Amino acid sequence: ILNVEQSPQSLHVQEGDSTNFTCSFPSSNFYALHWYRWETAKSPEALFVMTLNGDEKKKGRISATLNTKEGYSYLYIKGSQPEDSATYLCAPRSGNTPLVFGKGTRLSVIA
Amino acid sequence: EPEVTQTPSHQVTQMGQEVILRCVPISNHLYFYWYRQILGQKVEFLVSFYNNEISEKSEIFDDQFSVERPDGSNFTLKIRSTKLEDSAMYFCASGRQGVREKLFFGSGTQLSVL
Repeated sequence: ILNVEQSPQSLHVQEGDSTNFTCSFPSSNFYALHWYRWETAKSPEALFVMTLNGDEKKKGRISATLNTKEGYSYLYIKGSQPEDSATYLCAPRSGNTPLVFGKGTRLSVIA
Repeated sequence: EPEVTQTPSHQVTQMGQEVILRCVPISNHLYFYWYRQILGQKVEFLVSFYNNEISEKSEIFDDQFSVERPDGSNFTLKIRSTKLEDSAMYFCASGRQGVREKLFFGSGTQLSVL
């Protein structure tokens, strides 16, 4: 079973603060890494799919980086807004494993 | 924008009963998945389906579970004899080209087994 660690488990920030969280995964046989945002009472929504070491992707105020050699990805949110409050899930795929989700980082942005 | 739809949104059943959870994936997608989340735990992979057959399944997906794409549009998950521990939110997802592209998730079916 693929071991996926996300940290921190939860995070409270003030509106306007920038924040980041981590997804760690086994680096061997890396294939792809997904990031999803999951708001309460909604379905998970894809943010990024990353495949190459050193990849950086950006969507508005949210960006992500990928290091496949050491097995981690960072998600950054610049100038957090209340609507960014959600659980952020990462899901790597390595070798023959299916897409496996971490426990997520629950972000609360306080106005 | 096209979306994955799931029905019902809530299902309550008695232990030992059969349930069928239904999903309509996005029409031009080829890869289909079921995941579930037991309250307070992480999202768990159940099964993936491609080209009319199961491509991967987890240890959770035992003989009590089956999937079907009966008519080219619906994708169903059947639990033959439900147990209390099957209570969870079940998510269907679909994708165009496997895991190098993003998955689109439905809004889930909350299954409660009494």
